[in-house]
Amino acid sequence: DAKTTQPTSMDCAEGRAANLPCNHSTISGNEYVYWYRQIHSQGPQYIIHGLKNNETNEMASLIITEDRKSSTLILPHATLRDTAVYYCIVKNPVAGTYKYIFGTGTRLKVLA
Amino acid sequence: DAGVTQSPTHLIKTRGQQVTLRCSPISGHKSVSWYQQVLGQGPQFIFQYYEKEERGRGNFPDRFSARQFPNYSSELNVNALLLGDSALYLCASSLGGANVLTFGAGSRLTVL
Repeated sequence: DAKTTQPTSMDCAEGRAANLPCNHSTISGNEYVYWYRQIHSQGPQYIIHGLKNNETNEMASLIITEDRKSSTLILPHATLRDTAVYYCIVKNPVAGTYKYIFGTGTRLKVLA
Repeated sequence: DAGVTQSPTHLIKTRGQQVTLRCSPISGHKSVSWYQQVLGQGPQFIFQYYEKEERGRGNFPDRFSARQFPNYSSELNVNALLLGDSALYLCASSLGGANVLTFGAGSRLTVL
């Protein structure tokens, strides 16, 4: 599975869009990009995933660059409850074992 | 519907003891994965079980073992506990081995 690089921490004003970048320059053609988040003392929560097209759901949008070497998770209107650690993970969903390799993620702090 | 449930939520053990952690997956989910999360780091993959068979194992010593029962619940056992085993142990379930994970709240183990 490809390695990902994320900023250690970010701040965002409440009500503004939070844009969380992820670099995955070694991604291969059949690997998807997954985003999870972990609010303090809870288990990680699935947010969204995609292969090459931009994706949107009720929680967030995922923008993947055309070369697929990086992506951005967008929380359109951040709230205080979005304060969490956000993990970007790249994996092939059908090959080998199905482990997720979590890095240290981005600690997002939403400010009032 | 109930989410992934784990028990116990907190426990304290001493070095050399053994511990068993339990996990009940979401109804209908046939795959269970276990992760260890040490303070300040992302979760690390320990095991994955699908249809009661081990499908993957992370880089953990043989002191760690697991099993999945016919009702798809799972247990994680850790023998000869070390101080370094102190962590949040997370269980996640999924419909199949390759689907997105739903995590439980975890079992926090403290080894003294």
